Amino acid sequence: QKEVEQNSGPLSVPEGAIASLNCTYSDRGSQSFFWYRQYSGKSPELIMSIYSNGDKEDGRFTAQLNKASQYVSLLIRDSQPSDSATYLCAVNQNSGYALNFGKGTSLLVTP
Amino acid sequence: EPEVTQTPSHQVTQMGQEVILRCVPISNHLYFYWYRQILGQKVEFLVSFYNNEISEKSEIFDDQFSVERPDGSNFTLKIRSTKLEDSAMYFCASEDTLATNEKLFFGSGTQLSVL
Repeated sequence: QKEVEQNSGPLSVPEGAIASLNCTYSDRGSQSFFWYRQYSGKSPELIMSIYSNGDKEDGRFTAQLNKASQYVSLLIRDSQPSDSATYLCAVNQNSGYALNFGKGTSLLVTP
Repeated sequence: EPEVTQTPSHQVTQMGQEVILRCVPISNHLYFYWYRQILGQKVEFLVSFYNNEISEKSEIFDDQFSVERPDGSNFTLKIRSTKLEDSAMYFCASEDTLATNEKLFFGSGTQLSVL
């Protein structure tokens, strides 16, 4: 069974702080790693993708990947109340293949 | 920005009835997917569709489920005889060419309630 594990939270951070979200996966064949944001009752919205070990930055978001440890994380700098949502980690083997999602971590950014 | 369109947004049906969920993928996309999310649970893959045939399906996608692309624009998910446990939000997604999942777009979903 290919698992993607996330702490369900809620993770509460004050406005302006750094939020750190973590994810582990079991399938060593995974090649593509994604972070989605999902507001309640809405569809997943892609925030970041990462394919190689190391860090990838996009604005306030940084994704980190460590394939040896089967670990991927998302850092959100200068967190805003509008960042309050559930963050989904998803992995797959390659484009065109099914995405395997974690259950998500609920993030609450308090003013 | 182009978007994946799903109809209806809500569907209520009686157990044992057939339902068809409809999706219009983005026009130049070639890969199509159905995912579902039971309330409070993770997003689960159901099926992928490419070149007018199923390319991958999960254990959830049993004989009660079928997909079709009847007219080159719509992409449908049919559940032949609904069960209570089929109640979920169903998401359609599409992807262009063989690009990475950076271009995987999700529709807004159909909330299916089986009574």
